[in-house]
Amino acid sequence: EVQLVESGGGLVKPGGSLRLSCAASGFTFSSYTMDWVRQAPGKGLEWVSSITSSSSYIYYADSVKGRFTISRDNAKNSLYLQMNSLRAEDTAVYYCARENGQAAGTEFDYWGQGTLVTVSS
Amino acid sequence: DIQMTQSPSSLSASVGDRVTITCRASQSISNYLNWYQQKPGKAPKLLIYAASNLQTGVPSRFSGSGSGTDFTLTINSLQPEDVATYYCQQSYSSPPTFGQGTKVEIK
Repeated sequence: EVQLVESGGGLVKPGGSLRLSCAASGFTFSSYTMDWVRQAPGKGLEWVSSITSSSSYIYYADSVKGRFTISRDNAKNSLYLQMNSLRAEDTAVYYCARENGQAAGTEFDYWGQGTLVTVSS
Repeated sequence: DIQMTQSPSSLSASVGDRVTITCRASQSISNYLNWYQQKPGKAPKLLIYAASNLQTGVPSRFSGSGSGTDFTLTINSLQPEDVATYYCQQSYSSPPTFGQGTKVEIK
């Protein structure tokens, strides 16, 4: 059974840093592109970042570029998101998601339960 | 970035009704369109990929159609457990973008 379990969320002051982790199991982690998607309270879904299977290609949303860093450790089946210079607008539930390509394009076929990041003084 | 617009933003229907949600892309995205269901307090769940393909394990009352810029998610015979917010998402070009969501309630 595919499982994605996020951790590392919490309350942080503006300008602070936080590192999120996502532990994967039930599939060959090293074969998949992985993503972070966030959801501000009461709002819709916003893609944040993605990293290909061997970390060759990394992409960021403009809203986090230069402040967030995605990484992965395939030996540990883990995905990470280092978040620096946090702002109030970064407050959200952060989901890790597996990216798959079953037909045309790709889709997020498995999601973790999410971890809440609150940026407030 | 490609903008995804869903309509309606919310709807209320009776159990057994047929429900239709539309999603429009700001440019042609072929069939690179996915649908997700998110129940309150839960993570999103993939329902439909590549516009019309039912994800494994998803009930057959869900179906998707469309190509180019206009897409539809249909729920045949709405069930109480279908109360959720539904999102479309394009994977045609980066960044992947989502619609604003359609909240489905039972009348």
